[in-house]
Amino acid sequence: AQSVTQPDIHITVSEGASLELRCNYSYGATPYLFWYVQSPGQGLQLLLKYFSGDTLVQGIKGFEAEFKRSQSSFNLRKPSVHWSDAAEYFCAVVGDSGGYQKVTFGTGTKLQVIP
Amino acid sequence: EPEVTQTPSHQVTQMGQEVILRCVPISNHLYFYWYRQILGQKVEFLVSFYNNEISEKSEIFDDQFSVERPDGSNFTLKIRSTKLEDSAMYFCASSAQFQETQYFGPGTRLLVL
Repeated sequence: AQSVTQPDIHITVSEGASLELRCNYSYGATPYLFWYVQSPGQGLQLLLKYFSGDTLVQGIKGFEAEFKRSQSSFNLRKPSVHWSDAAEYFCAVVGDSGGYQKVTFGTGTKLQVIP
Repeated sequence: EPEVTQTPSHQVTQMGQEVILRCVPISNHLYFYWYRQILGQKVEFLVSFYNNEISEKSEIFDDQFSVERPDGSNFTLKIRSTKLEDSAMYFCASSAQFQETQYFGPGTRLLVL
C-alpha cells in the first residue's frame, strides 16, 4: 500500500532563509507525487506535481521539488521564505487501486516564519 | 481559473441528524472525490466517484455515508445519522481524467454537537 512520511511536524525559519521540507514515499511503481499547501482555515492548494520526466519540478510561489527515486524522496524547497508562506504543507502520492486513484497524504509539516 | 466550490463553508448539526454537503466540481472533470480532515489529523480519502457510481471507498465510508451526482453540476456527500466523531473538515476534489491532478475545494467544516 502506498504511504507518505513527513518526518518534520513543525519547522520554524526566518524570513528570507531557505527552506526544505522532507517527504518520503512508499509505493511499488513510479509514483505520482504532489505538494499541497493549506493556509489556516483554507482548503488545499496545489503547489506542484511530479508525474514523469525532469526530476526537478517547479511550482507556484517560487517552490520547487526534486524527485529522487534512489531515496524515495520528494523534498520541497524554496530559496527565500516569505512571511506569507506560513502554512501547513502536505506531501501526497497517488497510486492506482482497482483502476482508479486516491490521494494518500502525509501528516503535514507546519511552517512558521519568524521576522 | 476554474475551481471547485463547496457549500456550506460551515455546518453545525445535532448528533443523529442528517447532513448534506455540496460540491460543484470543475465543469469538464469526470472524477470526483471526498476527503475529510479531523482537526489536527491528516487528510483522509473517503470515496471516489466516476460514471455515476462509486469507484473506490475507504473503510471510513460506511453505510451512513452516501454520495450522489443529482444533476450535471453538483456532487453531494450525505451523512445519514451524524455522530460526534464525524466532526471534521470535508473536502471535495475533482480531476479531469484518471491519474490526473485532483483539485480541491475550500472545504466544509462540520461540527456535530
